[in-house]
Amino acid sequence: SQTIHQWPATLVQPVGSPLSLECTVEGTSNPNLYWYRQAAGRGLQLLFYSVGIGQISSEVPQNLSASRPQDRQFILSSKKLLLSDSGFYLCAWSVLGRPDEAFFGQGTRLTVV
Amino acid sequence: AQSVTQPDIHITVSEGASLELRCNYSYGATPYLFWYVQSPGQGLQLLLKYFSGDTLVQGIKGFEAEFKRSQSSFNLRKPSVHWSDAAEYFCAVGLDSNYQLIWGAGTKLIIKP
Repeated sequence: SQTIHQWPATLVQPVGSPLSLECTVEGTSNPNLYWYRQAAGRGLQLLFYSVGIGQISSEVPQNLSASRPQDRQFILSSKKLLLSDSGFYLCAWSVLGRPDEAFFGQGTRLTVV
Repeated sequence: AQSVTQPDIHITVSEGASLELRCNYSYGATPYLFWYVQSPGQGLQLLLKYFSGDTLVQGIKGFEAEFKRSQSSFNLRKPSVHWSDAAEYFCAVGLDSNYQLIWGAGTKLIIKP
């Protein structure tokens, strides 16, 4: 069966420090991969999605970047965090080429102080 | 542009009472429709989905949803809610054009004892 792992679960980082959140998927190949940010009362904001290794599409310009160094690995990064980067970040995967359900990781609560 | 509207930010229901959460979408073609549930501090879990066929869809945890094309709606229902149903619920539309999900802002369900 397929599983998705996202870590860390919580993170407190000072302003100006770098960020690296990692997400890996097991049990499937060639998945669509997604990074979302969730703000209270605002639903899910799609940050990045990827349909293959090295292929990243950015939905919202901001202080973050994403990379997909391996088929089932998706990394969210920042060189210098801002206070406004605080939030709940969710990684998800779906079957490539279908508008089907997305499977979510448990999320990372990022607090920038 | 495609959009998903969940008009109720919060809904409070007594335990044992019936529930209906509203979802309306704007999309030119027949959409793929989803309801997800999110417990506090967790990722999202799929409750049910509609692709085609019977417009009344049964999901997990006793939930059902009905697709009404004429009203562009996909409302979620449960005949009798339990305290464990307290969570945030998200409606989403899957696009056949680019396989993305468009998300509603969510409805937070509060259960009164």
